[in-house]
Amino acid sequence: AQSVTQLGSHVSVSEGALVLLRCNYSSSVPPYLFWYVQYPNQGLQLLLKYTSAATLVKGINGFEAEFKKSETSFHLTKPSAHMSDAAEYFCAVTLSGSARQLTFGSGTQLTVLP
Amino acid sequence: KAGVTQTPRYLIKTRGQQVTLSCSPISGHRSVSWYQQTPGQGLQFLFEYFSETQRNKGNFPGRFSGRQFSNSRSEMNVSTLELGDSALYLCASSATGGLVGANVLTFGAGSRLTVL
Repeated sequence: AQSVTQLGSHVSVSEGALVLLRCNYSSSVPPYLFWYVQYPNQGLQLLLKYTSAATLVKGINGFEAEFKKSETSFHLTKPSAHMSDAAEYFCAVTLSGSARQLTFGSGTQLTVLP
Repeated sequence: KAGVTQTPRYLIKTRGQQVTLSCSPISGHRSVSWYQQTPGQGLQFLFEYFSETQRNKGNFPGRFSGRQFSNSRSEMNVSTLELGDSALYLCASSATGGLVGANVLTFGAGSRLTVL
């Protein structure tokens, strides 16, 4: 069975600082990995996905993530935080491109300080 | 292109009642999945429908059920509501049911259920 662990349920950064949200996966086979963002009272929006092509994945809103098999990690980064980045972020995994369900991490609430 | 539409957005029920939630997928999408989001358990997969057939089911009791209509719209039903069923119920659609390539999940805004 696959799973993801998000380290840090709450992360605070200053506006303009680097954003780093951590995600480690557990999987017996190469996984497909996703990052979603959730703003208050809204659903989930896909930021980016890793599907076994390039290990460095660029997403929307300036976010990117790097798949590191040796570290079983898929950390999300953004060079410079903006106030509008404040939201909850979820890492998710599935084992197959044809799979039809995601297993989500517990989420990381990002606060951006002025 | 309209997104995934869920109705109602908010509802309050009492224990023992039942509830039906509706989801209209993106036009042309044939797969609809449902997820439950709670502070304690996080995001958990409920079930997935494709072409009116349930293809996957998560680890939820039989009180949770769903269906999909020929126009791909989906409903989920929870019977004999319990306090622990209070949650945000999210619906997501994808074109064919896979999760990569063009077939990523697009989520609706959710239906927030409060059970008193």
